[in-house]
Amino acid sequence: DAGVIQSPRHEVTEMGQEVTLRCKPISGHDYLFWYRQTMMRGLELLIYFNNNVPIDDSGMPEDRFSAKMPNASFSTLKIQPSEPRDSAVYFCASSSGEQQETQYFGPGTRLLVL
Amino acid sequence: ILNVEQSPQSLHVQEGDSTNFTCSFPSSNFYALHWYRWETAKSPEALFVMTLNGDEKKKGRISATLNTKEGYSYLYIKGSQPEDSATYLCAFGGTSYGKLTFGQGTILTVHP
Repeated sequence: DAGVIQSPRHEVTEMGQEVTLRCKPISGHDYLFWYRQTMMRGLELLIYFNNNVPIDDSGMPEDRFSAKMPNASFSTLKIQPSEPRDSAVYFCASSSGEQQETQYFGPGTRLLVL
Repeated sequence: ILNVEQSPQSLHVQEGDSTNFTCSFPSSNFYALHWYRWETAKSPEALFVMTLNGDEKKKGRISATLNTKEGYSYLYIKGSQPEDSATYLCAFGGTSYGKLTFGQGTILTVHP
C-alpha cells in the first residue's frame, strides 16, 4: 500500500485566496483525521470522519474551514478565505478501527499564506 | 480541554546513553495511549499503542510502560544512537471514537 497520500505537499498563496488540501487514506481504513501542526499549539486535531461521516469537528478553528469526505478514498480540507495565521503544516491520517488502532499519517501539506 | 504533558521538552544525550521521558495524561476515561516518533521533515510514525494498566511494550531498543491509575507513561531508549534523534510524541485517547489529544513532544538529540 502507498500509505496516506496528501496533495499538494507545499502551497503558497495570498491572503484571501481559497486553499484546498487533499487526502487519500489507506484503502480499507474507516477513520480519517485532519490535523494542523504549528509551533505554538503543536499537533491539534481539526476534524475526523468515520465511514465518510464527520464525527467531531470541534477542532475546526472557524467557519473559514470546511472538510468533506465524498467517498471512502478521498477527503478535502478547504480554507476560504485564507489568512496568514493559517500558515501551518496540515496532516491527514487514517486508521482501521477505534481508539486502539494506530493512526497512519500522510507526509503533510506545508501551507504558507502571505 | 484535556491536558497531555510531556517532559522534558528537549533532551541532549551522547551516543550510547540510555534515556527516558514522560507523558502524563488524565487518569479518567482512559482508552489508549499512543507513542509516535517524528523525524524532521517527515510524518509521525507509530511506535506503540497501549491500552491496559501495567502494559509494557518493546521495539528493539525502545520500550514503554503505562500506568493508567496515576496517568503517566514512560518511554525508554537503551543505548541511544544518532538515528534516534527525533521528536517523541504521546497521544491520549479518552473516548472509543478515535480522537487523540497529542502532547507537545520531547525533542531528543543524540550526539555522536
